[in-house]
Parts: sequence; C-alpha cells; structure tokens
Amino acid sequence: GDSVTQMEGPVTLSEEAFLTINCTYTATGYPSLFWYVQYPGEGLQLLLKATKADDKGSNKGFEATYRKETTSFHLEKGSVQVSDSAVYFCALPVSGSARQLTFGSGTQLTVLP
Amino acid sequence: DTGVSQDPRHKITKRGQNVTFRCDPISEHNRLYWYRQTLGQGPEFLTYFQNEAQLEKSRLLSDRFSAERPKGSFSTLEIQRTEQGDSAMYLCASSLGVGKSSGNTIYFGEGSWLTVV
Repeated sequence: GDSVTQMEGPVTLSEEAFLTINCTYTATGYPSLFWYVQYPGEGLQLLLKATKADDKGSNKGFEATYRKETTSFHLEKGSVQVSDSAVYFCALPVSGSARQLTFGSGTQLTVLP
Repeated sequence: DTGVSQDPRHKITKRGQNVTFRCDPISEHNRLYWYRQTLGQGPEFLTYFQNEAQLEKSRLLSDRFSAERPKGSFSTLEIQRTEQGDSAMYLCASSLGVGKSSGNTIYFGEGSWLTVV
C-alpha cells in the first residue's frame, strides 16, 4: 500500500546550518506530496507541496523537489533558525485520493542558537 | 481567523466518562476529516465526511467513537466510555474537494488534546 518512510530523528543543528530531512515514498501512480510542520503543542501546518514529478515546492526558505526516479521528496533549507524547531512530517494521499493522507513518523528538529 | 477551529483545545477526563470535540472547518470546504495523533507518531486517519455524509471510517474508529456532521458544516467527535488508551490529540482537517483531484490540500486545526486519567 501507499506509504512514506521518513528520516528518523531527532536532528539537532546549530543556527544557520544546512538542513536535509529525507523522505521516500511508495505509491500507485504519481500522487501529490506534502510536508507538514508541527510546532510544540500545536496542530499541523502545511509547509509546502508538489503536485507532479519534478515540481519544487517552497515556502519560508524550505524546499522539496518531487523526484519520481528516486521516489523521494527530501526537505531542505539552506540556513535554519531557532524558530524552525518543530516536528516535520512527510505525507501523501492514500491511493492517489485526497480523502485521506498517510504520514511519515515525523522528524524532530531542534535548532540551537 | 478563517482556519479550521477546534474546541476544546484541552480536555482531561476520568476513565469511563464521555467526551465530545467540535470542529468548524474552513468555510466552503465540503470535506472534513478526523485524525488521531499520539506522542511521537504521525497522525492516523479516523474518518472522513463529504458534506454531511460520512463516507469512510478507519478500523481505528471503534464502536465507542462516533462522528457527525449534521448540516455539512461543523462536526463533532464523541468518545463514549473513555479509556486511557484514548489519550491523544484529535485533529480535525478540511479541504475543498473538487471532483477526484488528488491535488486538493488538506488544512488542519490546532487539535484537541485528550487526557484520560
């Protein structure tokens, strides 16, 4: 079935360091792919998305490119800030449908000043 | 704020009591979802509404759980005879469903934390 495998955390970086959080997927066809972010004690916020192969989603300095050759959607940011500390989830629609999402297990990011 | 709104944000209840959570989706979104998230895990799908019709339910949704969306707007999730294993964050989400497009984005609320003691 459709699934997402996400880089395990936690990840601890110094401010201004480069961030990569790996995400690979298994799916039927070419579904949209999403990154959500969850700040402490809060719900999920959509960070970025890509709807087709080779698309690059970007937001708040974060980027992710939909790579169908490697079935990956890695999240990157060139210079992280303390305020980026959160849990990041990779997700895709189940069976190409928007009715529900399946999520990775999440990667906890802590950025130290 | 026109995002997904959930109430209450936090609820502590004794085992065996009933609890109800409310969700107000983004206006004009006809799809509404409930997810459950436990500590250290990603959200897990519980159920989905298209307008007032409950079209899909996860096996996670036991008989003690019931969700409604009577007028196709707000929704409630009731848990009867709560158990300690029900302690989790209950997330509501909504999306604007157009046909069968897989590109529709799902927007989440802040979540309702449930602690069963």
